[in-house]
Amino acid sequence: EVQLLESGGGLVQPGGSLRFSCAASGFTFSSYAMSWVRQAPGKGLEWVSDISGSGGSTYYADSVKGRFTISRDNSKNTLYLQLNSLRVEDTAVYFCAKRRDGCIDSWGQGTLVTVSS
Amino acid sequence: DIQMTQSPSSLSASVGDRVTITCRASQGISNYLAWFQQKPGKAPKSLIYATSSLQSGVPSRFSGSGSGTDFTLTISSLQPEDFATYYCQQYNSFPRTFGQGTKVEIK
Repeated sequence: EVQLLESGGGLVQPGGSLRFSCAASGFTFSSYAMSWVRQAPGKGLEWVSDISGSGGSTYYADSVKGRFTISRDNSKNTLYLQLNSLRVEDTAVYFCAKRRDGCIDSWGQGTLVTVSS
Repeated sequence: DIQMTQSPSSLSASVGDRVTITCRASQGISNYLAWFQQKPGKAPKSLIYATSSLQSGVPSRFSGSGSGTDFTLTISSLQPEDFATYYCQQYNSFPRTFGQGTKVEIK
């Protein structure tokens, strides 16, 4: 069974930084691209970033480009998202997700980031 | 960027009703269209990929169709556990854009 367990959320001040982790199990982690998707309170889903299985290719939404960095450690079966220069509008639940043939097929439970002074 | 527009934004339906949700892409995306279900306070659940293929474990009352720019999600007989918000997402190109969601409520 695929399991994706995010951690690292919390309260941070505007301009601050945070790093999320997503521990994966139940599948061959290095064989699959992974994603981060976020959802602001009361709003819809917003794609944030993707990374290929090898980690060699990364993609970002314009809203986070230059501020967020996606990475992975295939030896630890863990996906990361480094969030820098955080803004109030980055407040959201962040979900990690597994992709199969380009499409998300599994989701983590999410981790909440609140950016507030 | 490809814009995804869902309609309606919300609908009210009764158990047993046939429900159809539409998703329109601002440009052609072939069949690279997925549907997700989300209940309040929960993570989304993957329902359909490649326009019409059901993810493992998804009931057969869910179906998807379309191609190019126009797509539909159909629930053939709405069940109590189907009341939720549904999102489409294109994965033809980056950025991977979602529709704004369709909330299915109890009539």
